[in-house]
Amino acid sequence: DQQVKQNSPSLSVQEGRISILNCDYTNSMFDYFLWYKKYPAEGPTFLISISSIKDKNEDGRFTVFLNKSAKHLSLHIVPSQPGDSAVYFCATNTGNQFYFGTGTSLTVIP
Amino acid sequence: ETGVTQTPRHLVMGMTNKKSLKCEQHLGHNAMYWYKQSAKKPLELMFVYSLEERVENNSVPSRFSPECPNSSHLFLHLHTLQPEDSALYLCASSQGVGTGGRGLSGANVLTFGAGSRLTVL
Repeated sequence: DQQVKQNSPSLSVQEGRISILNCDYTNSMFDYFLWYKKYPAEGPTFLISISSIKDKNEDGRFTVFLNKSAKHLSLHIVPSQPGDSAVYFCATNTGNQFYFGTGTSLTVIP
Repeated sequence: ETGVTQTPRHLVMGMTNKKSLKCEQHLGHNAMYWYKQSAKKPLELMFVYSLEERVENNSVPSRFSPECPNSSHLFLHLHTLQPEDSALYLCASSQGVGTGGRGLSGANVLTFGAGSRLTVL
């Protein structure tokens, strides 16, 4: 049973606009939620995370929102840039346990 | 070298071969992981080593055999694999629980290698 779901396999956004990537999870006991970014031929790289006791965390152009009642996580990128084109994975973390989504491929159109 | 290094980057093997994937981390982390990434599936955790002891094995077939000789090196030994084992195998490391080096929120952050693309014929 999948603990973390990313229901949109792909997303296209115009440069300068906002990109919103979504993620749903099933277990309310996770401590942390993370977003990873993956370029082709590279491993995933950590982007931003949020504790389960927060509802928002911002780092430059990237903001992660957590809605615990809906068990929903989202990543906002604004403004989107062509270099943001990559696959984005959401993940949950408790201790050494991680669960990943299947990823959303973001294309930012110049 | 810095970060997490995986070799080989690409491997093609027959079902009767024996091969190994190697991972090395230069970050001073004390936990190392093997993940499998198949098309359109979530990253699947295969093995975790924390402080050189295996702490988790998610029912991975015995044709995959991990080895962690020290906190900086991790191997995945492969033998009599099946074509469905073809995938991207990712190694990762982290500081582990309660030891710092986390994301600003306190999360245990994984640092991944570039992966080894395995094709089983």
